[in-house]
Amino acid sequence: DAGVTQSPTHLIKTRGQQVTLRCSPKSGHDTVSWYQQALGQGPQFIFQYYEEEERQRGNFPDRFSGHQFPNYSSELNVNALLLGDSALYLCASCPLGWTSGYNEQFFGPGTRLTVL
Amino acid sequence: SQQGEEDPQALSIQEGENATMNCSYKTSINNLQWYRQNSGRGLVHLILIRSNEREKHSGRLRVTLDTSKKSSSLLITASRAADTASYFCATALFQGAQKLVFGQGTRLTINP
Repeated sequence: DAGVTQSPTHLIKTRGQQVTLRCSPKSGHDTVSWYQQALGQGPQFIFQYYEEEERQRGNFPDRFSGHQFPNYSSELNVNALLLGDSALYLCASCPLGWTSGYNEQFFGPGTRLTVL
Repeated sequence: SQQGEEDPQALSIQEGENATMNCSYKTSINNLQWYRQNSGRGLVHLILIRSNEREKHSGRLRVTLDTSKKSSSLLITASRAADTASYFCATALFQGAQKLVFGQGTRLTINP
């Protein structure tokens, strides 16, 4: 049983460009969350998707957007990249996450984004 | 912004010793979770403790939760070199979605 997978593993972009990161949740999971982890910091919540809708959003600008597909996979898009967007982007999934407050979240290996 | 603080920020002990990490948070929670992260890779879930629980065990791990003090601790007994990693606590409050709010982590180094 595959866990949470993310692609690509690493990515280098320049300021002003746009990037799309991808995530496939663990089998049986229908809720996907995205987190940004700057170097030396804990992860920060970007948003969570369930039933193809954004259910909750953290304190991130509109440059950060997402999408969830019918197969529960998800994309994170970041427009007009800034140097400060350089970070590890983590995807997490859980089952029926929005109906329960007691589910552990399973994290993928992350995508390391470097903005030059 | 981070939910709370983890203490200490860094901990270095000898193999075989016990390691204790503490986490404080600020708001009400449904549960608190501990994660491990090796060298900037993905997070590995260690243990989840619900707000109505006070203590939980999993192998060499023991977690306590004191909701009156808004604090939790993670104890790793008989540490091994493979336990070297960063450890994060994350609080969850279900409000239509389960958002995890992480601390800044404790960097644990086990010396052989």
